[in-house]
Amino acid sequence: DSGVTQTPKHLITATGQRVTLRCSPRSGDLSVYWYQQSLDQGLQFLIQYYNGEERAKGNILERFSAQQFPDLHSELNLSSLELGDSALYFCASSPLGLADFYNEQFFGPGTRLTVL
Amino acid sequence: EDKVVQSPLSLVVHEGDTVTLNCSYEVTNFRSLLWYKQEKKAPTFLFMLTSSGIEKKSGRLSSILDKKELSSILNITATQTGDSAIYLCAVLPASGTYKYIFGTGTRLKVLA
Repeated sequence: DSGVTQTPKHLITATGQRVTLRCSPRSGDLSVYWYQQSLDQGLQFLIQYYNGEERAKGNILERFSAQQFPDLHSELNLSSLELGDSALYFCASSPLGLADFYNEQFFGPGTRLTVL
Repeated sequence: EDKVVQSPLSLVVHEGDTVTLNCSYEVTNFRSLLWYKQEKKAPTFLFMLTSSGIEKKSGRLSSILDKKELSSILNITATQTGDSAIYLCAVLPASGTYKYIFGTGTRLKVLA
């Protein structure tokens, strides 16, 4: 158990809908990362937050958005869902800060999203 | 564009065999390279290699960073069925944005 929690575990929804994925980082970790993993794409970095602020952006679609709250939990919002959005969405946390460059990431169990 | 390439994509071995997984990278200003093992769900951390720590070992697993060749290998000796997993390599460039770049992984299957 990495200490990172994600809810829900599974999510099945229809095209055009909007969903919210939630992540709670390990206690004390300030950075949260979101990744998308599909069969043919591998693990794709979406976005990173550090202490409530966006730090880095990867291949995140405009239909997707995220935020990190004062209690450090994070939510990933996916809207106007398409079939191709079906994937495993991971959240990872790290104590990585502004001056600490060599920290590993701890992954949550993931949320499996299926869009029908 | 920064990228990480892993090879082979997949391999099947028998218990007791030794395997070598490869990871090569093209990044601007390398900072660190990480290896993860992904079984059913979340990747779990194995090793981190940096300019100041180019070789790591834990039990039957070991990893070496070749900064000249811009690559790393992960060795698993005396493989067991429990080693069956996807092994992911990730590189963190020193770009200041903390964007980990993952390879597509190597799927290892160990047969009894």
